[in-house]
Amino acid sequence: GAGVSQSPSNKVTEKGKDVELRCDPISGHTALYWYRQSLGQGLEFLIYFQGNSAPDKSGLPSDRFSAERTGGSVSTLTIQRTQQEDSAVYLCASSSLGGSQPQHFGDGTRLSIL
Amino acid sequence: GENVEQHPSTLSVQEGDSAVIKCTYSDSASNYFPWYKQELGKRPQLIIDIRSNVGEKKDQRIAVTLNKTAKHFSLHITETQPEDSAVYFCAASIGSGNKLVFGAGTILRVKS
Repeated sequence: GAGVSQSPSNKVTEKGKDVELRCDPISGHTALYWYRQSLGQGLEFLIYFQGNSAPDKSGLPSDRFSAERTGGSVSTLTIQRTQQEDSAVYLCASSSLGGSQPQHFGDGTRLSIL
Repeated sequence: GENVEQHPSTLSVQEGDSAVIKCTYSDSASNYFPWYKQELGKRPQLIIDIRSNVGEKKDQRIAVTLNKTAKHFSLHITETQPEDSAVYFCAASIGSGNKLVFGAGTILRVKS
């Protein structure tokens, strides 16, 4: 079946604009994660959705960042009033339910703030 | 909270040699330890994982060992090939849940 799909693959925007990044997880996966990866760096956890539970937002760097997951499937990560330090690759991953399960990543969205 | 440290940050080996990457974790309740390979500009891909009820797992040229007492786990790649060149990330679960904490990554270069 299809893997994790993210869109857009690249996004260039001006400082101060809002952006929306989309993630379509693997069908049937109930857990969904957002990470940020700056150039040459590791994976920084942002937010985690598990089924109908309240999301774990502990990794969001500021209140300019928010995410939602509608209908337990597609998720949108929104960054308001973008800053240059928001430039990074935003990766989405999904996993199935049941204890610790492998996370499968999308190709990411490369966000560039001018 | 959970902390995962990964060493070395860069590793260069000659083609055909073995490569070993080591990680330590802090949460004694962690029970799941995956390894990801990320080629330049590509998504991280799961290459092998291990759960806390086993000490070693092997898949062709790749093996992972886990020492729960010492809270460290290692990735072993034998007979390295140029296509093994990539960044490798280890990760550990937070307790028995789905959330992972990742190491900082190791850049592996295999010289032919």
